[in-house]
Amino acid sequence: QKEVEQDPGPLSVPEGAIVSLNCTYSNSAFQYFMWYRQYSRKGPELLMYTYSSGNKEDGRFTAQVDKSSKYISLFIRDSQPSDSATYLCAMSDPYGGATNKLIFGTGTLLAVQP
Amino acid sequence: GAVVSQHPSWVICKSGTSVKIECRSLDFQATTMFWYRQFPKQSLMLMATSNEGSKATYEQGVEKDKFLINHASLTLSTLTVTSAHPEDSSFYICSARDIGPGLGYGYTFGSGTRLTVV
Repeated sequence: QKEVEQDPGPLSVPEGAIVSLNCTYSNSAFQYFMWYRQYSRKGPELLMYTYSSGNKEDGRFTAQVDKSSKYISLFIRDSQPSDSATYLCAMSDPYGGATNKLIFGTGTLLAVQP
Repeated sequence: GAVVSQHPSWVICKSGTSVKIECRSLDFQATTMFWYRQFPKQSLMLMATSNEGSKATYEQGVEKDKFLINHASLTLSTLTVTSAHPEDSSFYICSARDIGPGLGYGYTFGSGTRLTVV
């Protein structure tokens, strides 16, 4: 079993739709949860960062963490064609400081149709 | 915010030659940088952790003699692919974490280097 599981998609939605992206994980030590967006042939860029459980909102994006279920989600409201990209979840435990490794999901390819 | 600059963005080289990729943290010091490899439509695979002033830590299955990592300063790490072969063609990405106060936890990634070995 992989430490982090993510539905690879592809996911195709019409413009304006609400998008839900999800990851599950198995390591209960994970405390830091991130969502990255990666456009084709570019490096990932950080979208959202959450510590422990709870919700975090930033504009059209909402990240949720449910540690009891080992489940994290990213919601995109009013999706735009410019949101078309691969979305990667990533997580880490709190040990090791700056040398901590990120564990990535496989990424979900999202296409928002105009 | 934190910026990581990676060069070159793409490179084509002949089989048997070596290629160097640079990763620089522009506005922060990074004692640790990470090097990843990504195949088409796949996630990032961590190759090694680069430590300033000491040897890199390689992940299992990564050939340390083939992928030479040097972290000579707090703002620069380099990855050299030695004696490159077509199977080394891939997208290589570096990242670093700025651990300054109040900056959150996110790691910043470079823009990646697409290596094609012919």
